Amino acid sequence: DAGVIQSPRHEVTEMGQEVTLRCKPISGHDYLFWYRQTMMRGLELLIYFNNNVPIDDSGMPEDRFSAKMPNASFSTLKIQPSEPRDSAVYFCASSPNRAGQPQHFGDGTRLSIL
Amino acid sequence: AQSVTQPDIHITVSEGASLELRCNYSYGATPYLFWYVQSPGQGLQLLLKYFSGDTLVQGIKGFEAEFKRSQSSFNLRKPSVHWSDAAEYFCAVGSYSGGGADGLTFGKGTHLIIQP
Repeated sequence: DAGVIQSPRHEVTEMGQEVTLRCKPISGHDYLFWYRQTMMRGLELLIYFNNNVPIDDSGMPEDRFSAKMPNASFSTLKIQPSEPRDSAVYFCASSPNRAGQPQHFGDGTRLSIL
Repeated sequence: AQSVTQPDIHITVSEGASLELRCNYSYGATPYLFWYVQSPGQGLQLLLKYFSGDTLVQGIKGFEAEFKRSQSSFNLRKPSVHWSDAAEYFCAVGSYSGGGADGLTFGKGTHLIIQP
């Protein structure tokens, strides 16, 4: 079975540029989560969706960050404009809508803002 | 607010020796608890989970964990480690209520080093 697919795996860009990260969740999973991993702050939840609807975006650091889920098989996380402090690994995860079910993680996007 | 503490940033264990990684959580209701492992450049792989029932749970790769409500702990154990177990280990807490699931709260991780 295909797992959570993220693209690109690596992104290097200059500050001020727009960055778009993509995620395809596991088919049939109702929940989609975006996390950010840094050395200083560890793994942090940014936002999550249920049935394509954003449920909690309180972890989104600034208005420069936005996320969408136009359909059940695709989500984007956008940073505009990007800054060096946004450099991190961004993970997408999905899970079914059943109690006790774990989240399945993608391999992440390593983002470097120069 | 929920929180997870992994008190050991690094642990070094000899190959073949036993392992215990500590995890303490703070959560108002009955938590769902998870252990994930991350190899360099990879995503997080689920080792095991506690949802309800038997407090000793078995996972993949020979790992087990015990949920102790009185101590708010969910320590991960393995009787004999292999060099391939060297990785970063994360404990996480989540919930599921009538309103659905929440995102996970992770500990800062424990870096496991295996000595030959």
